[in-house]
Amino acid sequence: DGGITQSPKYLFRKEGQNVTLSCEQNLNHDAMYWYRQDPGQGLRLIYYSQIVNDFQKGDIAEGYSVSREKKESFPLTVTSAQKNPTAFYLCASSMGGYNQETQYFGPGTRLLVL
Amino acid sequence: DQQVKQNSPSLSVQEGRISILNCDYTNSMFDYFLWYKKYPAEGPTFLISISSIKDKNEDGRFTVFLNKSAKHLSLHIVPSQPGDSAVYFCAASAWGSSNTGKLIFGQGTTLQVKP
Repeated sequence: DGGITQSPKYLFRKEGQNVTLSCEQNLNHDAMYWYRQDPGQGLRLIYYSQIVNDFQKGDIAEGYSVSREKKESFPLTVTSAQKNPTAFYLCASSMGGYNQETQYFGPGTRLLVL
Repeated sequence: DQQVKQNSPSLSVQEGRISILNCDYTNSMFDYFLWYKKYPAEGPTFLISISSIKDKNEDGRFTVFLNKSAKHLSLHIVPSQPGDSAVYFCAASAWGSSNTGKLIFGQGTTLQVKP
């Protein structure tokens, strides 16, 4: 079964702690994306990567970091510099053909601050 | 500045009737539009998309209409079913200018279909 998996489903962060959210896809997609959803709002882009070993900041990258060492994986680290990390985090991927593509989403990770 | 707006936070329709969800945008560079359906605590599911070279795209019960001059798109669901009850997001990207596929999302409209 091809798809996008995110883990864990729920994650708790203590003050001053960095936490890493996992995103894996077996769709053979080149492009991957991280979004954040807050209550009553749409999704906002944090980081995206169009190819392995390359990534770009989205609209709200401050306090976050990513890596793209493998095509299948695009982990997101929420650092202690992110002052309001409580949100629902969504990972997406697309083929990466640079022409009007559809992004497909994983099930999401809810991050809560203790 | 919100480039994609869904001005109706919620919509309630009777089963079997038509549901019409609306979306407005401000950026004339947007050339690809998508609708996603989302249940609580789950990721969005892709429903239907439309390129700016078209004004209508149909897939089963779902039809998306695009009015470029008005910078407006709408999603029609006919007939509506209780299982359609969810939050619907419209999203837009500007492939021609940015070549990145970055999606800009509206705030979402919660659809309730009553049996």
